[in-house]
Amino acid sequence: DTAVSQTPKYLVTQMGNDKSIKCEQNLGHDTMYWYKQDSKKFLKIMFSYNNKELIINETVPNRFSPKSPDKAHLNLHINSLELGDSAVYFCASSQDHGLAGRYEQYFGPGTRLTVT
Amino acid sequence: GESVGLHLPTLSVQEGDNSIINCAYSNSASDYFIWYKQESGKGPQFIIDIRSNMDKRQGQRVTVLLNKTVKHLSLQIAATQPGDSAVYFCAENGAQNYGQNFVFGPGTRLSVLP
Repeated sequence: DTAVSQTPKYLVTQMGNDKSIKCEQNLGHDTMYWYKQDSKKFLKIMFSYNNKELIINETVPNRFSPKSPDKAHLNLHINSLELGDSAVYFCASSQDHGLAGRYEQYFGPGTRLTVT
Repeated sequence: GESVGLHLPTLSVQEGDNSIINCAYSNSASDYFIWYKQESGKGPQFIIDIRSNMDKRQGQRVTVLLNKTVKHLSLQIAATQPGDSAVYFCAENGAQNYGQNFVFGPGTRLSVLP
C-alpha cells in the first residue's frame, strides 16, 4: 500500500490556467506538507498543515493555496500558472511526536508540473 | 572527488569505499536534524536523524556527525554500494513551529563508480 500518494504524476499545462494536485496519506499522520523542488534539486517547503493550523511560507505567491477536505488529504491549487511554476511538487506527511520525538516526513512520489 | 558550483555538488566514490557527505546548516537555534536520500524519480526518504544533545548517531551502514560549534553535519556511508547512488539532503528544523518547518540543504549527488 502506498503511504503517500499524489495525482497526477505529470501535469503539462499552459500559462494562465488553474490546476490542482491531489495528495492522500494513509498513515494516520497529523501533519501534511507541500514542497517545491526546482531544476537544481533545491527543495523548499511551501505549506505545512495540521488540524490546528496552516503555516505558510511567506515566499509562496498567493496563487498557491492548500485545501484539506479531511485529515488524510491536502490538495494544492494553483491559479494563473506561470512559467516559473514549473517544478516537481512533493506532498509529505508526518506524525507529531512532541519535542523529543522523531519527525520523519514521508514523501509522495512527486508531481512534475510543466507550464508552457 | 567533490565538486561544488552552480550545479548540484557531486561526490564520486568507488564501490566499497566509504562516503562522507557534508552539510552546513544555517540556524544556530536548530536542535533537530535529518538526512534524506532521494533516488531518481522518487521522493526523499528518511535515513537517520540526530538531536543537538548528541554528537554522533549510528544506523545501519550510516553514521551522522554533528558539530554545533561550526554548524556542520556529515553523513558517513560505509562500504558504499551502487544502490546508494542518489541525492542526499540534510534538513534542520526551523526555529518556529517545531517539527513543521524543516529547512533543507541544497543536496549532494552521490555517484558510486563500479
